[in-house]
Amino acid sequence: DAKTTQPPSMDCAEGRAANLPCNHSTISGNEYVYWYRQIHSQGPQYIIHGLKNNETNEMASLIITEDRKSSTLILPHATLRDTAVYYCIVQTQGGSEKLVFGKGTKLTVNP
Amino acid sequence: KAGVTQTPRYLIKTRGQQVTLSCSPISGHRSVSWYQQTPGQGLQFLFEYFSETQRNKGNFPGRFSGRQFSNSRSEMNVSTLELGDSALYLCASRQGPTNEKLFFGSGTQLSVL
Repeated sequence: DAKTTQPPSMDCAEGRAANLPCNHSTISGNEYVYWYRQIHSQGPQYIIHGLKNNETNEMASLIITEDRKSSTLILPHATLRDTAVYYCIVQTQGGSEKLVFGKGTKLTVNP
Repeated sequence: KAGVTQTPRYLIKTRGQQVTLSCSPISGHRSVSWYQQTPGQGLQFLFEYFSETQRNKGNFPGRFSGRQFSNSRSEMNVSTLELGDSALYLCASRQGPTNEKLFFGSGTQLSVL
């Protein structure tokens, strides 16, 4: 079973920030939060990951709560090309457990 | 650097047949994992290989098997195909044996008639 919970769908207006939540209340101390997205008919694409500090890269920002039980992926200025299914997973760094993807959040960016 | 390459892109088979799918990882990546994706079940882990050894296996019947070659290329085989095996099969590679970010191919869309 997936260790994360995400809303099945969300909408966002083009040009606005998209904030995608993820609940991982059973995360353990050595587990990282990873985000991927899957645009229709393509394989998932890595976006960002973090342990406990907030992270930012050219694609997105990741905000992890202090208790690490939840996180939010932020796409600062969503475009139509950001319409995709977004997956949040937890995994250990240096571990070898099989990765479990949930059903993700279908983000639709509207013009 | 070339990405993860999966062949063929589309495949149509009939029930009872078998199928072999191929995956070439990113150069230098030694870990290859396979996933099945269906609308109802989402993305489900099949198995992972590192240095020609299977390290993890998902909850799939024995009809699903795989292997990895010395050049890190991997194949997965499904025997005695069933209608429910229709899915997008995704391959992902990563550099080493420990968890880090995955790089996915575009997948093979298998239709079983």
